[in-house]
Amino acid sequence: GIQVEQSPPDLILQEGANSTLRCNFSDSVNNLQWFHQNPWGQLINLFYIPSGTKQNGRLSATTVATERYSLLYISSSQTTDSGVYFCAVLFSGGYNKLIFGAGTRLAVHP
Amino acid sequence: SQTIHQWPATLVQPVGSPLSLECTVEGTSNPNLYWYRQAAGRGLQLLFYSVGIGQISSEVPQNLSASRPQDRQFILSSKKLLLSDSGFYLCAWSAVGTDTQYFGPGTRLTVL
Repeated sequence: GIQVEQSPPDLILQEGANSTLRCNFSDSVNNLQWFHQNPWGQLINLFYIPSGTKQNGRLSATTVATERYSLLYISSSQTTDSGVYFCAVLFSGGYNKLIFGAGTRLAVHP
Repeated sequence: SQTIHQWPATLVQPVGSPLSLECTVEGTSNPNLYWYRQAAGRGLQLLFYSVGIGQISSEVPQNLSASRPQDRQFILSSKKLLLSDSGFYLCAWSAVGTDTQYFGPGTRLTVL
């Protein structure tokens, strides 16, 4: 089956720093989503990005489908950015199955 | 706008007891519905999905079952819980014909 690998597994930043999170996937996929899981467990949709680049405030994402990776950029990090960031690729076989990576755990310190 | 609800938020149950977790979606019709489980420190694994009332597909063999008695209601059940059933259970929905899945707040289950 499709494998999804995220790096780094853990990241510690000082407030104001920038970071790049990476997601590699092993096969062609129909789509990719980035999520932020806050400390209470809520999964928040960040981007739905099959290819190209999208930006939303301090966050942006780029997916290069032909090379099977996606990047999530966080600029000027804030303590509220802390949590776990997941990428999930979409496998369509009659329904939309999301296959998740193991996540990148981010801690932003003041 | 659409909203998704799950309850209870947390649950502590003894081994061998039954389980019923509920998920409801508001503001949409005929959604695709999903149950995922997240083990501690891990990503999410799809357990069940449903494309309509009474239509349930299972992704992995396990001690759990799912039902969809109404269009916007999805229930996760077990007759006898195991220690290994502990985890964080999330319900999700997607609109027919679209890819994006939206997640509920989750239920944290501890089996003792």
